[in-house]
Amino acid sequence: GAVVSQHPSRVICKSGTSVKIECRSLDFQATTMFWYRQFPKQSLMLMATSNEGSKATYEQGVEKDKFLINHASLTLSTLTVTSAHPEDSSFYICSARDRWYGYTFGSGTRLTVV
Amino acid sequence: QKEVEQDPGPLSVPEGAIVSLNCTYSNSAFQYFMWYRQYSRKGPELLMYTYSSGNKEDGRFTAQVDKSSKYISLFIRDSQPSDSATYLCAMSAEGAQKLVFGQGTRLTINP
Repeated sequence: GAVVSQHPSRVICKSGTSVKIECRSLDFQATTMFWYRQFPKQSLMLMATSNEGSKATYEQGVEKDKFLINHASLTLSTLTVTSAHPEDSSFYICSARDRWYGYTFGSGTRLTVV
Repeated sequence: QKEVEQDPGPLSVPEGAIVSLNCTYSNSAFQYFMWYRQYSRKGPELLMYTYSSGNKEDGRFTAQVDKSSKYISLFIRDSQPSDSATYLCAMSAEGAQKLVFGQGTRLTINP
């Protein structure tokens, strides 16, 4: 089956620094990748949708300058949280979409900003 | 009104019971219906996928879609403690890129 690898699984960073999260589709080419944020005991909140080679489409209310998304290839997308602050602490999940496998999710990244 | 409504629970049942989870939705354009299971601090994993109306069975899991009522269900037979997780329904329209998720139902199976 389709596998999406997300790294790191957990990261702690100091306030003001930037953090990069990687999302890779291991055995398929993802036409579209999605980035979600999830708060405790809540559902997934879509942050942005990215198609390979084009700019990401951000959901309303998501700061595109704070959450930089790069989808440089059909197997890799990255989310960079710039100038992170404690309120950015959350669980971030990526998802990759393929015409055959549908939507496959990564295992998530727990970001803690101290 | 949310596009997809799902009772967040929590739902607690004894081991071996039949579990019924459900979602209602308002967008009649939805054609693809999915159920995901999410363990704590992990990403969601796909359990069941259904296109349009009908039933689908996979082992102990059965998914049902009733488009006329805009209602989908997931049944878990012979529930096990390892089934304890949050279950998320998700759906999308034909040609749409995005999934719309329900709030998720927290399920606990007690030994």
